[in-house]
Parts: sequence; C-alpha cells; structure tokens
Amino acid sequence: SQQGEEDPQALSIQEGENATMNCSYKTSINNLQWYRQNSGRGLVHLILIRSNEREKHSGRLRVTLDTSKKSSSLLITASRAADTASYFCATDGLDTGFQKLVFGTGTRLLVSP
Amino acid sequence: ETGVTQSPTHLIKTRGQQVTLRCSSQSGHNTVSWYQQALGQGPQFIFQYYREEENGRGNFPPRFSGLQFPNYSSELNVNALELDDSALYLCASSFLPNQPQHFGDGTRLSIL
Repeated sequence: SQQGEEDPQALSIQEGENATMNCSYKTSINNLQWYRQNSGRGLVHLILIRSNEREKHSGRLRVTLDTSKKSSSLLITASRAADTASYFCATDGLDTGFQKLVFGTGTRLLVSP
Repeated sequence: ETGVTQSPTHLIKTRGQQVTLRCSSQSGHNTVSWYQQALGQGPQFIFQYYREEENGRGNFPPRFSGLQFPNYSSELNVNALELDDSALYLCASSFLPNQPQHFGDGTRLSIL
C-alpha cells in the first residue's frame, strides 16, 4: 500500500508561475526524497532531505520537511514547460534496514507556455 | 541518462505464463531494487538485492523472484501471471542500499 499522499493530485499552471506540491506520510522516517517522472519514463531523483533537516534548496527547487506533522512540500519556482511531469515523494522508514522506498500517488504537473 | 537500462521496453503475455525482465545497472552499483507501478499510481517496492543476496522484500507473493549477477545485471521473474500484474516494472540501482537510487525507464508488461 502507498504510504505517502500527495496533494494536489493534479496542478495546472502557466510558465513562470511557482508550483507547490505537498506530501504527507504515516510513519517515522530516515529520509524523504522527491522524484520526477516524465510520461512513460523512469523516475529521476530530484532532492533528498534527511529527517533532521527542515529545508533544502537545489536550483529552482525548495523542499521543506516537518516531521512533527509528517509532511513535506516541494516548491518549483519560475516553472517551465519542461517541468511538466508527475512528481512523487518517497520515504524510507526507521524500521527497515535498507532503503525500501515507499512512494506516494504523485502530483501531475502541467506547465503551459 | 541514469546508466540503468531495462529490457524489453514492452511485453505482452497471457494469464498463467511466466516472464523474465532484465536490468543492467551502472558499473559499481552493488544494489538493485525492483518496483511495480500500476497505471496512475506510485511505484511499489518488490524487493532489493545487494551483492547478489536478497536484502529485503515488499508485500509481493513468492511467484515474484529475482536474481542479481556479478556483472551488475539482474532479473525479475514472475510466474503464473495474473491480470493484475499488468504494470510498469522499474529497476533502480545504487552503490549502497542507503543511497539515492537511479531508475531505468522500465518495462511495460501487459497481461491479456
């Protein structure tokens, strides 16, 4: 079963606007990661945030993590048409000795020119 | 380009048949994980291999099995195929089990 829940399920914006996606999870985690998936392709790792971190930046990406609320957000600034994809959060839990990633159901982002 | 390749890209099988999917990881990546992604869903963890030994398993029945070889290639085998096995199967590799994973583009399996 999926652990993470992304919100919204779908998001449609114009180029240049910011896109914010949220992820909630259920159990204590080691790390939380965000991945992008273009249609019919594999997943591309975007960013990893550890459970003791609260915010992380990578280029136009900003990720926050609130372990007390078991939630994370991904902000993409100044979006481009090439950002059109599905975005997934993935967590690996404290109770596993290996990186068993548990993915959410994803947010489908459409960026129109 | 992640350096992880999967074959075939598409496959059609019928119920009850057996299938073998293949993955070639980046050189040096000792860890490979397999995921099943149903349409419109996120990937679900099947199992992970580290240095040719199973290193963990998700909630999949024993008819899902795997192998990892010393040359950084691996296989996912599924016996007695069911209609619900129709999905995109993804493999992902990393140097160690606790590092970010690099995904291939998957094999789209359709069961008729």
